[in-house]
Amino acid sequence: KQEVTQIPAALSVPEGENLVLNCSFTDSAIYNLQWFRQDPGKGLTSLLLIQSSQREQTSGRLNASLDKSSGRSTLYIAASQPGDSATYLCAVNSGNTPLVFGKGTRLSVIA
Amino acid sequence: DTEVTQTPKHLVMGMTNKKSLKCEQHMGHRAMYWYKQKAKKPPELMFVYSYEKLSINESVPSRFSPECPNSSLLNLHLHALQPEDSALYLCASSQEVPYGYTFGSGTRLTVV
Repeated sequence: KQEVTQIPAALSVPEGENLVLNCSFTDSAIYNLQWFRQDPGKGLTSLLLIQSSQREQTSGRLNASLDKSSGRSTLYIAASQPGDSATYLCAVNSGNTPLVFGKGTRLSVIA
Repeated sequence: DTEVTQTPKHLVMGMTNKKSLKCEQHMGHRAMYWYKQKAKKPPELMFVYSYEKLSINESVPSRFSPECPNSSLLNLHLHALQPEDSALYLCASSQEVPYGYTFGSGTRLTVV
């Protein structure tokens, strides 16, 4: 059974710092991995989708990498801003089953 | 249209009420999902519809009844809920693998 772990559970950084969020999964037989952002009480916004054949995806200040063989993905946020404060969820799609989510990283960027 | 639309955004209902949540997408996605999310927890899968047929029911109590009238619409009928059912209910849709999921903004449900 696929299990997804996110580290750290919470992170507080000063504005302007570069930061890395980590996601690991137990079964490397995945189709893709998706990073989401969730603001309190709101829905999930898709940030980046990485296919199993890809090594990384970039969108603006965000860069996500995937190392399928080692079961790891990282989300890199450059020059963090207070508006980046949210919970970041990693989810793995193994094809036969719906998305499996990690428990998320709660990010707080202090001005 | 690249959105999943959920209505209502907020709902307060008594334990004897009957209400419905609605989810709509016009992206041609053939899989649609209901998730339940409690505070500070990840979303938990409830139901999956694939090509308008229920394909996964994660042992959800019968007081939750899903319905998929057509390929664009997904409903969740609620009856005799308990206070512990209060949560954020999220709808999502996807095309076949390897495409990603698109989530709606959710319905915040409070059972009193």
